[in-house]
Amino acid sequence: GAVVSQHPSRVICKSGTSVKIECRSLDFQATTMFWYRQFPKQSLMLMATSNEGSKATYEQGVEKDKFLINHASLTLSTLTVTSAHPEDSSFYICSAKRALGQGNTEAFFGQGTRLTVV
Amino acid sequence: QKEVEQDPGPLSVPEGAIVSLNCTYSNSAFQYFMWYRQYSRKGPELLMYTYSSGNKEDGRFTAQVDKSSKYISLFIRDSQPSDSATYLCAMSWMDSSYKLIFGSGTRLLVRP
Repeated sequence: GAVVSQHPSRVICKSGTSVKIECRSLDFQATTMFWYRQFPKQSLMLMATSNEGSKATYEQGVEKDKFLINHASLTLSTLTVTSAHPEDSSFYICSAKRALGQGNTEAFFGQGTRLTVV
Repeated sequence: QKEVEQDPGPLSVPEGAIVSLNCTYSNSAFQYFMWYRQYSRKGPELLMYTYSSGNKEDGRFTAQVDKSSKYISLFIRDSQPSDSATYLCAMSWMDSSYKLIFGSGTRLLVRP
């Protein structure tokens, strides 16, 4: 299957600093990528949809100035958590949409990034 | 009411048992139905993908969709300890956005 690589897998940062997370589709072009957040023992909550070459679409309640998303190429989307606080500590996961032909698409997920803000 | 409801478990079964995992949903506009497996601290892995009502089989896994009841199931035959993970159902509309709405996930433990 297609590979989506997310980096870093784990990061610890100090409160008030910014952290950038990268999501790359390694063997296909992804015009659309998604960013999710997952708290312990809870499901994935969609934060935003990232479209190559345009502004991201944020879900209700997600601060776009705090979670900056850039999708500058067909294989790379980045999520920057600005001025991170301990409540931003979570598991962040990206996914990339791939067209499979015949009208079918599939979303492939990265391995996730564990962010801990201290 | 959540759009997608899923029992969080945990569900503990002996090795070799048949496992039944279920989700219900409220939005009749959902057209695509998926099951993902997620190991601890890893990203979800797609197991099954269905579009229409009925059954779809892939090895030890069978996905079942009943659109009239807004109910989907995943059956795992001959369960193995390596199947121990969290299973997430996900749904999407029939549009180009491909936004996925996830259930809360069911933790499965298969005991040797």
